Amino acid sequence: QKEVEQDPGPLSVPEGAIVSLNCTYSNSAFQYFMWYRQYSRKGPELLMYTYSSGNKEDGRFTAQVDKSSKYISLFIRDSQPSDSATYLCAMSGSLNAGNNRKLIWGLGTSLAVNP
Amino acid sequence: NAGVTQTPKFQVLKTGQSMTLQCAQDMNHEYMSWYRQDPGMGLRLIHYSVGAGITDQGEVPNGYNVSRSTTEDFPLRLLSAAPSQTSVYFCASSYLAARGELFFGEGSRLTVL
Repeated sequence: QKEVEQDPGPLSVPEGAIVSLNCTYSNSAFQYFMWYRQYSRKGPELLMYTYSSGNKEDGRFTAQVDKSSKYISLFIRDSQPSDSATYLCAMSGSLNAGNNRKLIWGLGTSLAVNP
Repeated sequence: NAGVTQTPKFQVLKTGQSMTLQCAQDMNHEYMSWYRQDPGMGLRLIHYSVGAGITDQGEVPNGYNVSRSTTEDFPLRLLSAAPSQTSVYFCASSYLAARGELFFGEGSRLTVL
């Protein structure tokens, strides 16, 4: 079983739809949860960052963490064609000896928002 | 502010050739890393560095070397290219205290024939 599972899609929605992207994980030590957005032929960029459980909102984006279920979600409201990209979840636990946290990545979900 | 700059953007090699992928960042980040991204495999960490003079192996280090002589630069060397190293390579950096908040370059697409 992979440490992080993410449905690769593709997910295709009409403009204006609410999009829900999800990842499940198995390691209860994970404390830091991130969503990255990657446009075609570009590097990933950090979209949302959450520590521990709860919700975080930034404009049309909401990140949700449910540690009891080991489940994280990214919601996109009023989706736009410019949101078409691959969305990667990533997570990490406590510090290692090098004072750096190892990131575990999902494979990414491909999203297409159709005008 | 340039962020993380990778060169070259595209490269074609023959099996057995060597080459260096360059990475430079201008954000004074202590942490720098190299990933490769392959379909169905996701992002995999090759090597990383937590400061000048300090490097360590990631998940898939075989066939690659790195060095970190300055804070700004973190080159990735392919010693003897193999078709299995055909991939998109990303350099990423962050502050050491950052908890996964990585800044990525635009990638280097490498094809090994």
